[in-house]
Amino acid sequence: GAGVSQSPSNKVTEKGKDVELRCDPISGHTALYWYRQSLGQGLEFLIYFQGNSAPDKSGLPSDRFSAERTGGSVSTLTIQRTQQEDSAVYLCASSPNARDPGYTFGSGTRLTVV
Amino acid sequence: QQPVQSPQAVILREGEDAVINCSSSKALYSVHWYRQKHGEAPVFLMILLKGGEQKGHEKISASFNEKKQQSSLYLTASQLSYSGTHFCGTENSGGSNYKLTFGKGTLLTVNP
Repeated sequence: GAGVSQSPSNKVTEKGKDVELRCDPISGHTALYWYRQSLGQGLEFLIYFQGNSAPDKSGLPSDRFSAERTGGSVSTLTIQRTQQEDSAVYLCASSPNARDPGYTFGSGTRLTVV
Repeated sequence: QQPVQSPQAVILREGEDAVINCSSSKALYSVHWYRQKHGEAPVFLMILLKGGEQKGHEKISASFNEKKQQSSLYLTASQLSYSGTHFCGTENSGGSNYKLTFGKGTLLTVNP
């Protein structure tokens, strides 16, 4: 596609439920990133995928968060047993490779946990 | 460690200039600048690398002082389209070459 596509754009879920957020990067981009943006805060790194290498999960805030990337393309971020503090905008970005700076971000998924 | 941006907000009239600063407490390898309009995705503006290399849009200028661990984004002859929150993202020396730590942002409003 022309840009990074994320779905859903908005998600309201009850506390304790699991959610899945999807990211479809730009075709051919081998590097994919997930960031989280809370109100009034900067972007917080969550996880990074590069090609077939093991992902860097060092930014995931707890073991309730996990992500996978299938076939080096689409990525899914899963949050289990959601908590109210998980409410944020989850942004996905891709770049041609890790050494090619300048992410292209998707529009994000706004997650609200009630 | 999250970089500190200043000012938090600035209001300009079209055609005026602005400087946005980004300061880190750790040695930096690179600084990235992004602009985000309300409800939209952040858009890449520029990257400044240790050693002086820069990549980005021609109409955007920025500086990177490695010794002071600071970067400044210069917005000259501002246009209405410059409005938005500007974020710096820093990559520490010896770091991952991809994992950025972003500041809280500077809200720039350009009025007619």
